[in-house]
Amino acid sequence: GESVGLHLPTLSVQEGDNSIINCAYSNSASDYFIWYKQESGKGPQFIIDIRSNMDKRQGQRVTVLLNKTVKHLSLQIAATQPGDSAVYFCAENTPLVFGKGTRLSVIA
Amino acid sequence: EAQVTQNPRYLITVTGKKLTVTCSQNMNHEYMSWYRQDPGLGLRQIYYSMNVEVTDKGDVPEGYKVSRKEKRNFPLILESPSPNQTSLYFCASSLAGATTYEQYFGPGTRLTVT
Repeated sequence: GESVGLHLPTLSVQEGDNSIINCAYSNSASDYFIWYKQESGKGPQFIIDIRSNMDKRQGQRVTVLLNKTVKHLSLQIAATQPGDSAVYFCAENTPLVFGKGTRLSVIA
Repeated sequence: EAQVTQNPRYLITVTGKKLTVTCSQNMNHEYMSWYRQDPGLGLRQIYYSMNVEVTDKGDVPEGYKVSRKEKRNFPLILESPSPNQTSLYFCASSLAGATTYEQYFGPGTRLTVT
């Protein structure tokens, strides 16, 4: 498959388990954050976003948590499936900066 | 189907030979942007456009040009490509701005400059 980033942090999880992917952002002035998923050979795909007036937001099988005190985001994926295998990265908006990503591998 | 399309998907060229990568979106989005993605680095913004005839430099604009004559199209032009522009390029669009709305990305164009 296509390599979208060498030496990425890697997370391996068993199918059916929950996954937690973390991201530290840099600017306390950022007020909008997004998680993207990038499968091999494809462009990034929006998963979920959160604005700074919230601490938690839930989607379908995904939850994003925002801790503004320590400038930290996390993405939780419930009941991880093989189709969740991808690189996940976060983005903040002030300025617009994308993280390098974490590679999630799901073990069937 | 709502999408961002890019062409070509793969391109191998030689130093100095002008090339254009096309980008088109069918979602009537105001905002469009170009990024490059290199191993070990996050996406880096090359240029962006808030609307027709409005373009601005991103973080790594050197060696690139763009134009936004129509809302749906945002071509990326390399007037004189060099090997350090070998990269994976993504076009993206957003409703009204990448700092307040999610972006929709194209499938990518892998460029090799020899």
